[in-house]
Order: sequence, then structure tokens, then C-alpha cells
Amino acid sequence: GENVEQHPSTLSVQEGDSAVIKCTYSDSASNYFPWYKQELGKRPQLIIDIRSNVGEKKDQRIAVTLNKTAKHFSLHITETQPEDSAVYFCAASSGGGNQFYFGTGTSLTVIP
Amino acid sequence: KAGVTQTPRYLIKTRGQQVTLSCSPISGHRSVSWYQQTPGQGLQFLFEYFSETQRNKGNFPGRFSGRQFSNSRSEMNVSTLELGDSALYLCASSPTGGNYGYTFGSGTRLTVV
Repeated sequence: GENVEQHPSTLSVQEGDSAVIKCTYSDSASNYFPWYKQELGKRPQLIIDIRSNVGEKKDQRIAVTLNKTAKHFSLHITETQPEDSAVYFCAASSGGGNQFYFGTGTSLTVIP
Repeated sequence: KAGVTQTPRYLIKTRGQQVTLSCSPISGHRSVSWYQQTPGQGLQFLFEYFSETQRNKGNFPGRFSGRQFSNSRSEMNVSTLELGDSALYLCASSPTGGNYGYTFGSGTRLTVV
């Protein structure tokens, strides 16, 4: 089955700096890659996603890039703010059965 | 519109007991998936239901089971609880399954003592 690895597990940045979280996947059939943000005690929420026919997608301060050849995708957050502090999860899916394989999460702390 | 609703929010059970968790998806969503979230293992897929049929199942023992009703509401049951079953159980719904981002519920925090 699919195996998703996520790095780093913890990340601290100064407010205003950029943050990058990287994930790799193993199954070349995976074609959908969402990112979720989970604040303490709350539900995971979809923040951005990318499909395998696209190399990059941007939404205001967040962007995701995908390299299908290398089987890795990354989340980029620019101009970080304290409210960006949360745990971020990457995931991969091949679409069948609506099963997502999640990375183990990155705890991001933005220091004011 | 209302989000994904999970009940109860918190549960404390004793080893050996069984428990039933409930999930009401977003109106119109027919796919419901269940995940177990623990600090050490992250989010692990349990199973997915679509139109009352289990379409996919993760690598959990048979003590974990589920079902879906005709109104798309889903229940998850864990029998013969073990201490290691303590976790946050999340359900997520999507319109038809496939490559749609899930909408998660707030979860049920199960503690087994």
C-alpha cells in the first residue's frame, strides 16, 4: 500500500518568515494530495490540495508544489503569522475507495 | 449548512467493554470514512462506507466494525476494548468519495481505563 512520509515533525519560525513542510509518497498511482491543518483540540481542516496533473497551486499565503517524478510534494507558507501555529498533515490518495494515507504531521510554531 | 456531527464528544470506558460512536455527515454526502488518531501513529484509516456498503477497510482487527444507514449516518463499534484503543476517532464525509477533500467532524475522544 501507499506510504507517506512527512518532514520535519516540528518546525519553529519567526513571525513573517516562510515555512516549508515536505512529504514523499511511494505509490505512483496516487493522484490527489490534500493538506490539512489541525489546531489544538479541533478538527483537521482542508487548507489546500493539488492533483497530479498540476505542478503547483497557490492560495494567498500558502502554496503546494508536486514533483511526480520524485514522488514528493511540499507545503509553503509565506509571511507566517501566529495563527498559522498548528499541526499540518499531508495526505495522498489514488481515489479508489476514498482512502487517504496521511503523513505523521508537522507541528508548526510561529514565534511572535 | 451543518457540518459533520460526531457524538458523543467524550467517552470513558473500561477494558473489555464495547462502544458505539455515531457520525452524521454533511447533508447530501454519501461517503463516510473513519479514522483513528493517536499521537504516535497519526491518522490511520479504519473504513469507508458509501450507500450503506463498506468499500474499503484499513488494517484494524475485527473488533472494529461499522455500518451506514440509508440516511448516510454511520456508526462505528469497537468490542472488547483494550487500553490501546484510547484515541480520537474522526469521521469524515464527502459527496461521493474518490478524490474529494474530506470534511472532518470534531471527533470522539475515547479513553479506555
